[in-house]
Amino acid sequence: DAKTTQPPSMDCAEGRAANLPCNHSTISGNEYVYWYRQIHSQGPQYIIHGLKNNETNEMASLIITEDRKSSTLILPHATLRDTAVYYCIVRVKNQGGKLIFGQGTELSVKP
Amino acid sequence: DGGITQSPKYLFRKEGQNVTLSCEQNLNHDAMYWYRQDPGQGLRLIYYSQIVNDFQKGDIAEGYSVSREKKESFPLTVTSAQKNPTAFYLCASSMSGGRDTQYFGPGTRLTVL
Repeated sequence: DAKTTQPPSMDCAEGRAANLPCNHSTISGNEYVYWYRQIHSQGPQYIIHGLKNNETNEMASLIITEDRKSSTLILPHATLRDTAVYYCIVRVKNQGGKLIFGQGTELSVKP
Repeated sequence: DGGITQSPKYLFRKEGQNVTLSCEQNLNHDAMYWYRQDPGQGLRLIYYSQIVNDFQKGDIAEGYSVSREKKESFPLTVTSAQKNPTAFYLCASSMSGGRDTQYFGPGTRLTVL
């Protein structure tokens, strides 16, 4: 079972920041938080991951709370092409570090 | 051009036939994975391989088989024993198993008629 919970859907205006929340209250001390997104009928695309500290790359920022029980993915200037299902995943250690995907958040970016 | 390729993108088969899905990567990754996705659902792990000539069952391996004879290739066979084979199949690879980021191919949509 997925170790994360996310809202099923969110809307965001084009050009504004999209903030996608994720709860992972049972995360273990050495488990990483990963974010992927999937556009319909395509393979998931890696976005970012982190352990304790906040992380930023060219796609997004990841803010992890101090107790590590929740995190937020931030897309700073959402575009229509960011419309996708976003998955927050706690990476397990067994089975080769498999990814356990939950239902994700369907983000709709509107003009 | 580096990446993961899966072919074909769409595949149709009659019930009772075995079918093999291709997955190739030129990223020099040691680990490869197969996931299955059903409509409106997340991905579930079928098989994974952390090194050539070795592979392990994932959470839903029944009715599937794999081989890993070459580092760059990890084909998945959907056998007639798989009760509900119609699904979207995704292959992924990572530098090694465990902590390294997994990167996904474009997927193969299998429809069994």
